[in-house]
Amino acid sequence: AQSVAQPEDQVNVAEGNPLTVKCTYSVSGNPYLFWYVQYPNRGLQFLLKYITGDNLVKGSYGFEAEFNKSQTSFHLKKPSALVSDSALYFCAVRDIRSYNTDKLIFGTGTRLQVFP
Amino acid sequence: DTAVSQTPKYLVTQMGNDKSIKCEQNLGHDTMYWYKQDSKKFLKIMFSYNNKELIINETVPNRFSPKSPDKAHLNLHINSLELGDSAVYFCASSQGGLAGNEQFFGPGTRLTVL
Repeated sequence: AQSVAQPEDQVNVAEGNPLTVKCTYSVSGNPYLFWYVQYPNRGLQFLLKYITGDNLVKGSYGFEAEFNKSQTSFHLKKPSALVSDSALYFCAVRDIRSYNTDKLIFGTGTRLQVFP
Repeated sequence: DTAVSQTPKYLVTQMGNDKSIKCEQNLGHDTMYWYKQDSKKFLKIMFSYNNKELIINETVPNRFSPKSPDKAHLNLHINSLELGDSAVYFCASSQGGLAGNEQFFGPGTRLTVL
């Protein structure tokens, strides 16, 4: 069965420090992987995706993610966290049964708290 | 110019009532979706439409009936509302196809059933 796991409910980091939000996946074949961010009382916003090519993907707001096939991971990273990065982060994988849609399977979300 | 818009933003109603949520996208996308986000922030897909046709129905109760009058609109009608329907409902759209396109989300409709 396809799935995405985000093992941490919450990640706390001090402003200026590097941050990592973890994601592992389980899918047959080559995965299409995504990260989205949700600010309070807002809809989800796309951050970045991995489809193919370079394993290090750069996205919006200085975020990047590394696709690691051997560890089936797609961790989100940022070299220097900002207080404004505090939000809920979702990892997702494209459902291989999505036919001609872009249907996604989402993880349970990780709340990132950046302290001043 | 809002890419994906939903109305209303808030909806408070009594159990047993019928209500609708409207969604419009101006991105020219072929595919639209409805999601339900519960109080624990879990996000669950309900429906996927492609070119006005229902593609995916994730075993949602038949009290929920989506309607797509054209590619740019996907409305959600809910009959006989129950307490458990209280949640935030998100509409989204994407280009569709097999390329792995990202989805664009609306701001959400917070439904409270009393």
